Amino acid sequence: ETGVTQTPRHLVMGMTNKKSLKCEQHLGHNAMYWYKQSAKKPLELMFVYNFKEQTENNSVPSRFSPECPNSSHLFLHLHTLQPEDSALYLCASSRNVDSADTQYFGPGTRLTVL
Amino acid sequence: QKEVEQDPGPLSVPEGAIVSLNCTYSNSAFQYFMWYRQYSRKGPELLMYTYSSGNKEDGRFTAQVDKSSKYISLFIRDSQPSDSATYLCASAGGTSYGKLTFGQGTILTVHP
Repeated sequence: ETGVTQTPRHLVMGMTNKKSLKCEQHLGHNAMYWYKQSAKKPLELMFVYNFKEQTENNSVPSRFSPECPNSSHLFLHLHTLQPEDSALYLCASSRNVDSADTQYFGPGTRLTVL
Repeated sequence: QKEVEQDPGPLSVPEGAIVSLNCTYSNSAFQYFMWYRQYSRKGPELLMYTYSSGNKEDGRFTAQVDKSSKYISLFIRDSQPSDSATYLCASAGGTSYGKLTFGQGTILTVHP
């Protein structure tokens, strides 16, 4: 798991707060991903970045704002979230955006929105 | 219809049992099939990776893909308590360009 790190591991925030999640990969990969994992639901892809450029936005509400300053770092900025946004947010990376490339996941950030 | 269907369980087996985990998928373009294992409070880790139809074996684990029936299986032999985790199947291919489609995950408990 040291290949992809995420901070913080746990976050509790109110609906009016602004917070950011951070992901860093040490694998030399070019592609990075944000996923949402809710109880009893499949992992949902949120965003994909390839060489710092966003290549996929899976109809994610604008209260989630991603940022990818370089191929090693990925952020998810959160503002005015809803209680139903409470979930485990997972970051992943892969060599490239290719179906054949393995995605490596971080440990996730457990987010609770009050 | 979900693109990848997986029975969430939970599944509870005694130590030493053979475990069979299964998924079905609907997208004929899928060519890459994966099984991820996720321990509690951890991220998913890749367990098995298969391209197209066939079997792949790694120690106590065997992954099987039948593209004609769109069926994905993972078998665990001589299951151990350390195998207790959530198992996620995932598929990719066609025009998905690296986008993995996951099943819901099956919660497995192996009791001593």
